[in-house]
Amino acid sequence: EIVMTQSPATLSVSPGERATLSCRASQSVSNYLAWYQQKPGQAPRLLIYGATTTDTGISARFSGSGSGTEFTLTISSLQSEDFAVYYCQQYDNWPRTFGQGTKVEIK
Amino acid sequence: QVQLQESGPGLVKPSETLSLTCTVSGGSISTYYWSWIRQPPGKGLEWIGHIYYSGSTNFNPSLKSRVTISVDTSENHFSLKLSSVTAADTAIYFCARHLWGGMGPFDSWGQGALVTVSS
Repeated sequence: EIVMTQSPATLSVSPGERATLSCRASQSVSNYLAWYQQKPGQAPRLLIYGATTTDTGISARFSGSGSGTEFTLTISSLQSEDFAVYYCQQYDNWPRTFGQGTKVEIK
Repeated sequence: QVQLQESGPGLVKPSETLSLTCTVSGGSISTYYWSWIRQPPGKGLEWIGHIYYSGSTNFNPSLKSRVTISVDTSENHFSLKLSSVTAADTAIYFCARHLWGGMGPFDSWGQGALVTVSS
């Protein structure tokens, strides 16, 4: 099973600032990496797939980079609606696995 | 736009079987893969397994011995059964659709159903 490790666990950011979230895979997943946003009481929402492709309707503030074992999600200028928990997920191998999440909170 | 809705008992006794159904509306269940994912309260996400509209399945090895997933294309829904449950199975259970008909990421999710295992 591929273990996905996200850092940091919590990120404190002021509105308008940039946020950089990291995700590391225990072995290469090529570019089969997705990012999700989850707000309290809601289901996760797909933001990025293929490591770099933004899903339909997702703000251009969100961008993804990386390949192999190291990935980054960048939120260019945090808005109030962006404070949430973010998960990465690999879909290169079975079983599909998620990182433990990074909580982005207001500084 | 496709919508998914989980339904089933919110309370299950230890050692019994958890049963949930995901009803798909606004689109056909055909030509897509569909998954169950769970999230213990306050914790992360765990993929349980998926089913193709044809009925082929794949499961997380950690749960494989206890999981059954089935599909009913005439009713446009798919179902999860998890046997011999314990308190560790208490979680929010989500159903989700895989993007583009493949086995990749999950682009549509149900709102989730909290299932508590308790006597």
